[in-house]
Amino acid sequence: DTEVTQTPKHLVMGMTNKKSLKCEQHMGHRAMYWYKQKAKKPPELMFVYSYEKLSINESVPSRFSPECPNSSLLNLHLHALQPEDSALYLCASSQAQGAEKLFFGSGTQLSVL
Amino acid sequence: KQEVTQIPAALSVPEGENLVLNCSFTDSAIYNLQWFRQDPGKGLTSLLLIQSSQREQTSGRLNASLDKSSGRSTLYIAASQPGDSATYLCAVSASGGSYIPTFGRGTSLIVHP
Repeated sequence: DTEVTQTPKHLVMGMTNKKSLKCEQHMGHRAMYWYKQKAKKPPELMFVYSYEKLSINESVPSRFSPECPNSSLLNLHLHALQPEDSALYLCASSQAQGAEKLFFGSGTQLSVL
Repeated sequence: KQEVTQIPAALSVPEGENLVLNCSFTDSAIYNLQWFRQDPGKGLTSLLLIQSSQREQTSGRLNASLDKSSGRSTLYIAASQPGDSATYLCAVSASGGSYIPTFGRGTSLIVHP
């Protein structure tokens, strides 16, 4: 299994909603990542978990809250988002942090109304 | 701070042409360089990974080269097909520190029949 699975594929939420994005991999990878991508722009790193500990937080607003319950799962909890947060949210994993091939999920297309 | 530039930003070619996509980076102290493919609204698929000690990697019709001293990599696509239409992104991981890849903005490729 060489897949990173993200759910849901699409999400529409209001600015007062609370929702969560989920990511799962069963490749035994010990590094997992959240990226945000706007149309026609490169992915921007948000968070990195290495061995289930938060390794990097790229000064992301607190309305985004990551969680790594175990080595296979990564969540991104969303609360009080703004319309400018609408984007494609990508999860990725690698054998180790940054040093290996990255495997990406197909993403969650998020729209904030 | 590493900066990654990809030229051209967009490319439209007839089927069967051989293509060269370019990626340049400002800091030659890299750990590895990856080329990705992204279809619209989808995640990224890793095509080739070149370690800093390597000069090139090949996979099928794809060949990627790396010249660290000049801060350049090229992705060569032989005998292009309409199915190759996608955005191609280059990502460079710096040596020392977090090893997190920095992405270029990509080259949007259309191969028409």
